[in-house]
Amino acid sequence: AQRVTQPEKLLSVFKGAPVELKCNYSYSGSPELFWYVQYSRQRLQLLLRHISRESIKGFTADLNKGETSFHLKKPFAQEEDSAMYYCALSFQGAQKLVFGQGTRLTINP
Amino acid sequence: DTAVSQTPKYLVTQMGNDKSIKCEQNLGHDTMYWYKQDSKKFLKIMFSYNNKELIINETVPNRFSPKSPDKAHLNLHINSLELGDSAVYFCASSRHDTHGYTFGSGTRLTVV
Repeated sequence: AQRVTQPEKLLSVFKGAPVELKCNYSYSGSPELFWYVQYSRQRLQLLLRHISRESIKGFTADLNKGETSFHLKKPFAQEEDSAMYYCALSFQGAQKLVFGQGTRLTINP
Repeated sequence: DTAVSQTPKYLVTQMGNDKSIKCEQNLGHDTMYWYKQDSKKFLKIMFSYNNKELIINETVPNRFSPKSPDKAHLNLHINSLELGDSAVYFCASSRHDTHGYTFGSGTRLTVV
């Protein structure tokens, strides 16, 4: 079965410090990986997807098939990055997203 | 103009009651979903509908019955509510050929 693991439930860093949110997945085929973000009292929003290979709000994520990982990184954290982050997996014909448990990121001033 | 809208935003009800949550999307998407977010913030799919047809039912109790009158609407009816049903329920939609979901703002259901 497909699974997404985010090992850190909580992550706290200081403003200006680098941040990395870990995501590992288990799926034997070709996955599609996503990061979603939920700011306080707001709806879940797509942050980025691996096929786009883009940087959104300074965040990047690289799919590493060898390590089955899709870690989210930002070199300099900002206070407005504080939110709940979800890694998610899908695949051709899946008709659903499988979410990780989420990581609550807190950026301290 | 909200893309995916859910009503109500908050719902407090007693055990044993029957309640419905409505969801509408104006994006022209053909696939709609219900997800449940539990108290630990874990998101799990409940149902997926494509063009009004049920595609996925992830071992959800029969007390939960989704209804899709057209591809822009996916409502969730819950019978005989239990304490464990307390959660935030999210509706979402997507085009069939992409997984870029658009989520609603959620309905916080509290069963007392």
